[in-house]
Amino acid sequence: AQSVAQPEDQVNVAEGNPLTVKCTYSVSGNPYLFWYVQYPNRGLQFLLKYITGDNLVKGSYGFEAEFNKSQTSFHLKKPSALVSDSALYFCAVRESANQGGKLIFGQGTELSVKP
Amino acid sequence: DTGVSQDPRHKITKRGQNVTFRCDPISEHNRLYWYRQTLGQGPEFLTYFQNEAQLEKSRLLSDRFSAERPKGSFSTLEIQRTEQGDSAMYLCASSLTSENQPQHFGDGTRLSIL
Repeated sequence: AQSVAQPEDQVNVAEGNPLTVKCTYSVSGNPYLFWYVQYPNRGLQFLLKYITGDNLVKGSYGFEAEFNKSQTSFHLKKPSALVSDSALYFCAVRESANQGGKLIFGQGTELSVKP
Repeated sequence: DTGVSQDPRHKITKRGQNVTFRCDPISEHNRLYWYRQTLGQGPEFLTYFQNEAQLEKSRLLSDRFSAERPKGSFSTLEIQRTEQGDSAMYLCASSLTSENQPQHFGDGTRLSIL
């Protein structure tokens, strides 16, 4: 069965410091991986995806993520955090063979960036 | 691009009542998904449509739940005889058919059962 784990419920970072939000996944085939961000009382906004190719993918708002097949990880990173990055972040996976495209989400990580 | 639109944003109802939510996807998107999100959790898949055909339903979708997409455009999700456990945020997403396309989410309908 497919699954996603986000081992940290909360990540605290000082503004201007680099941030990492961790994600590991389990699928039986090749994974398609996604990161979304959610602000209070809003839906999820797409940040970036890994489908194939370069292991380092760049997305919106200066975020990037590194796909590591051997560690089955897809950690979200940003070189310099902003207070406005404070939000709930979700990692999601689907199997490439899953024609329907349903996403399996992690439980989320709350990012708090302090001035 | 007007985005995915959901209506209503909030719904408060008494236990046992029926509720219906509407989702208008991005116009050129032929896939439409429903998810449910409870507090402190990630969204959980409920069902999805390819045009007007409902192609997959989760075991979470009990027989009290029904979804339709009659003309392949907007979709409705109905919950009959609501229960306390139905309280959640119901999210709609849409995407193009191409396998590597991301899903775009609406702002959800928050359902509160009294």
